Amino acid sequence: AQKITQTQPGMFVQEKEAVTLDCTYDTSDPSYGLFWYKQPSSGEMIFLIYQGSYDQQNATEGRYSLNFQKARKSANLVISASQLGDSAMYFCAMREGLLGAQKLVFGQGTRLTINP
Amino acid sequence: AAGVIQSPRHLIKEKRETATLKCYPIPRHDTVYWYQQGPGQDPQFLISFYEKMQSDKGSIPDRFSAQQFSDYHSELNMSSLELGDSALYFCASSVGYSNQPQHFGDGTRLSIL
Repeated sequence: AQKITQTQPGMFVQEKEAVTLDCTYDTSDPSYGLFWYKQPSSGEMIFLIYQGSYDQQNATEGRYSLNFQKARKSANLVISASQLGDSAMYFCAMREGLLGAQKLVFGQGTRLTINP
Repeated sequence: AAGVIQSPRHLIKEKRETATLKCYPIPRHDTVYWYQQGPGQDPQFLISFYEKMQSDKGSIPDRFSAQQFSDYHSELNMSSLELGDSALYFCASSVGYSNQPQHFGDGTRLSIL
C-alpha cells in the first residue's frame, strides 16, 4: 500500500498567488515525521519543512507552512506569495518512528509551475 | 553552512563496468543514507549506516555494496552495471536518533551506455 500519496501530478499557479500542495499518508506508527523537499530541474533535493506527529502547532519556515491534519492523515504544504523560483518538483516524505536512522518514504511528487 | 558532498557529480560507464560513488556527510552527522532516483520517479531508499554500522537495507541489488568509514564518509560500490542502473544517486546525512531532517547532497548522475 502506498504510504505517501500526492494526488496532484502538476500544478500551475500565477506568480504571487498562494499555492497548496496536497499530501496524505498512511501509517500505524504513532510516532512519525513528515517532510517536504523541493527538487529544481538541476536535480538537487532541498529540505523545506518538517512536522513531527506529536507537534502541537503547524510548522512554518518563511513562506512555507505545513497544514497538518492528523485525523485526516494529511500534511499539505502551503507556499505563500509564490515566486518564479518556486517552479520545481515537490516531494512529501515520511519517516516512521521519530528517532533513529529510519529511511524516508517519498510520494510521487507534484511538479509546480509558477507563471509570470 | 557545510552541506553533504557527493562525488563525482556525473559518471558515465558502460555495461558490466564498476562504479564507486562517494559521500561526505555534514560535520557531526553520524548517519548516512543512500537513495536511487530513476528518471521521472521518486527517490527509493537503498541502504543506511549509523555510526559506521549498517542500519537498514532497502531495495539494493546484490551487485551493490556500501560502507561507512571511520571519518563517517560513505562509499557506494556498484558492479556489473546494467542499463537500468542509470539514475540519480543521492546521499543524505542526519544526526541519528534525533528528530532532525535528512539533508541531501546534490547527487551523482550515473549514465550507463
